Amino acid sequence: GIQVEQSPPDLILQEGANSTLRCNFSDSVNNLQWFHQNPWGQLINLFYIPSGTKQNGRLSATTVATERYSLLYISSSQTTDSGVYFCAVRFGDMRFGAGTRLTVKP
Amino acid sequence: EPEVTQTPSHQVTQMGQEVILRCVPISNHLYFYWYRQILGQKVEFLVSFYNNEISEKSEIFDDQFSVERPDGSNFTLKIRSTKLEDSAMYFCASLGGNTIYFGEGSWLTVV
Repeated sequence: GIQVEQSPPDLILQEGANSTLRCNFSDSVNNLQWFHQNPWGQLINLFYIPSGTKQNGRLSATTVATERYSLLYISSSQTTDSGVYFCAVRFGDMRFGAGTRLTVKP
Repeated sequence: EPEVTQTPSHQVTQMGQEVILRCVPISNHLYFYWYRQILGQKVEFLVSFYNNEISEKSEIFDDQFSVERPDGSNFTLKIRSTKLEDSAMYFCASLGGNTIYFGEGSWLTVV
């Protein structure tokens, strides 16, 4: 099946810093989503982005489908950005990467 | 925004007992899913359901698990004889267009 790898596994930032999270996937997909799992365990949709670039406030994402990777950018990070960020890809069922645990310190 | 709802939010059960987790997917969605997340680990696919039957299942989804859509709105996951290692958060999801929407999860603790 499709393999999904995320890096880095852990990231600690000072408030206000920028960061880039990466997702590599092993095969062609027809769906890629980024999720934020908050400290209460909720999975929040961030982006549906099988290709191209999207922006939503301080967050943006880029997927280069031909090279099988996606990037999530967080600018001017805030403590509320803390949590785990998952990339998930779908060809058939949806498979998740192991996540990047982000901690933003005040 | 429409949402996927799950009940119960948290259940504690004795090992060997049967558990039913319930989900109400978004009403016009046709594909439904169950995922599991053991504490601190990644989200794992269990099963997908379409047109009143299982379309795919993972190796985790063995004979102790079953799913059904009993009344056209609810979508349930049954664990027949729970084991300690079934303790996890169970997420229901439904697919609308190209986007999967997750419920808030049911946290199952087996003691």
